[in-house]
Amino acid sequence: SAVISQKPSRDICQRGTSLTIQCQVDSQVTMMFWYRQQPGQSLTLIATANQGSEATYESGFVIDKFPISRPNLTFSTLTVSNMSPEDSSIYLCSVVTAGYGYTFGSGTRLTVV
Amino acid sequence: GQQLNQSPQSMFIQEGEDVSMNCTSSSIFNTWLWYKQDPGEGPVLLIALYKAGELTSNGRLTAQFGITRKDSFLNISASIPSDVGIYFCAGNTNAGKSTFGDGTTLTVKP
Repeated sequence: SAVISQKPSRDICQRGTSLTIQCQVDSQVTMMFWYRQQPGQSLTLIATANQGSEATYESGFVIDKFPISRPNLTFSTLTVSNMSPEDSSIYLCSVVTAGYGYTFGSGTRLTVV
Repeated sequence: GQQLNQSPQSMFIQEGEDVSMNCTSSSIFNTWLWYKQDPGEGPVLLIALYKAGELTSNGRLTAQFGITRKDSFLNISASIPSDVGIYFCAGNTNAGKSTFGDGTTLTVKP
């Protein structure tokens, strides 16, 4: 299965600032997704990262707040913009690889103070 | 949007006991997935189910894709302390996006 490297693993940020999270995959993948997991909660899909085009956002998530880049088939970034304490969560990238199903990165644990 | 109802929310069992948890939905899914999440980690895929009625095992784990495509269960036999964690079900549509249940927190007492 694919191996995902996600950076940073954790960060503590000041409110009003932005953080960019990177997701690197060791093989080319067609489908890449970004999820959020709020404390003690389940996972919620933020968006599908599309290679070479704008990401597709789920209801309740907008590009201005969570801009996403996907320059190639092995890399994507998610930026959490103008952060507030409510953005404190674990952010995870996930990929689908043919024959191996769905793989998650280990996540970025974000605390906004 | 699609929602999954996962139960039970938590379980406290004795080592060696069997465990059963399930997910139901009002929507049809093409794929059912079961994940385990340990503290500080991302979810790890345990079992993927691709056909209605499919019954699949992975060691002590057994999962089934309900015949109506709206439900799935996961059984763990002869639980051990390392089974502790949060178990999530997820349903997928053709778009590949996963909708997650709220999770079942499993505690195993030695």
